[in-house]
Amino acid sequence: AQRVTQPEKLLSVFKGAPVELKCNYSYSGSPELFWYVQYSRQRLQLLLRHISRESIKGFTADLNKGETSFHLKKPFAQEEDSAMYYCALSGGSNYKLTFGKGTLLTVNP
Amino acid sequence: DTGVSQDPRHKITKRGQNVTFRCDPISEHNRLYWYRQTLGQGPEFLTYFQNEAQLEKSRLLSDRFSAERPKGSFSTLEIQRTEQGDSAMYLCASSLIRRGRVEQYFGPGTRLTVT
Repeated sequence: AQRVTQPEKLLSVFKGAPVELKCNYSYSGSPELFWYVQYSRQRLQLLLRHISRESIKGFTADLNKGETSFHLKKPFAQEEDSAMYYCALSGGSNYKLTFGKGTLLTVNP
Repeated sequence: DTGVSQDPRHKITKRGQNVTFRCDPISEHNRLYWYRQTLGQGPEFLTYFQNEAQLEKSRLLSDRFSAERPKGSFSTLEIQRTEQGDSAMYLCASSLIRRGRVEQYFGPGTRLTVT
């Protein structure tokens, strides 16, 4: 069974502070991990996928297979980063996504 | 706008009525997924299509739910005899499975309220 856990429902930081959104997963094979973001009144959009190893909008995420984690990090948060963030896992040939419950990030001025 | 579109964006219906939602995927995307999202939860998988073939249905999809994707283009999701528990955001996503690129692109969703 696939499971994604995001332990924090809410996370509040000040502008310029580092931010880390936690994600742990459970999957018996080799999953693909993603971070999706949903800004206010916008649709879900892909932020990062672990395979690409990119930095998008200053965010990075490293897959740690030993700890089964895929935490999202940014060294200096900006107010425009305020949004709902979902960690998601895809495994198997159907490529369906299993999402965590999401973390609402608020970056205060 | 060449992204995924969904219609209607909002639907209010009375319990027991039937409703149908439409999803238009990104042109040439061969996979189409339906998800349901309730308050405080992440999206949950319902079903998916590879071209016109429906390949998997979640246990969340009761007999009152049916989905189609005729000709492998747009898709419809119908809920018969709606119940209050069906109130949710219904999301559609499409993807083009090619050379290891599997990312899904989401539509804006249809918010269903059953009164």
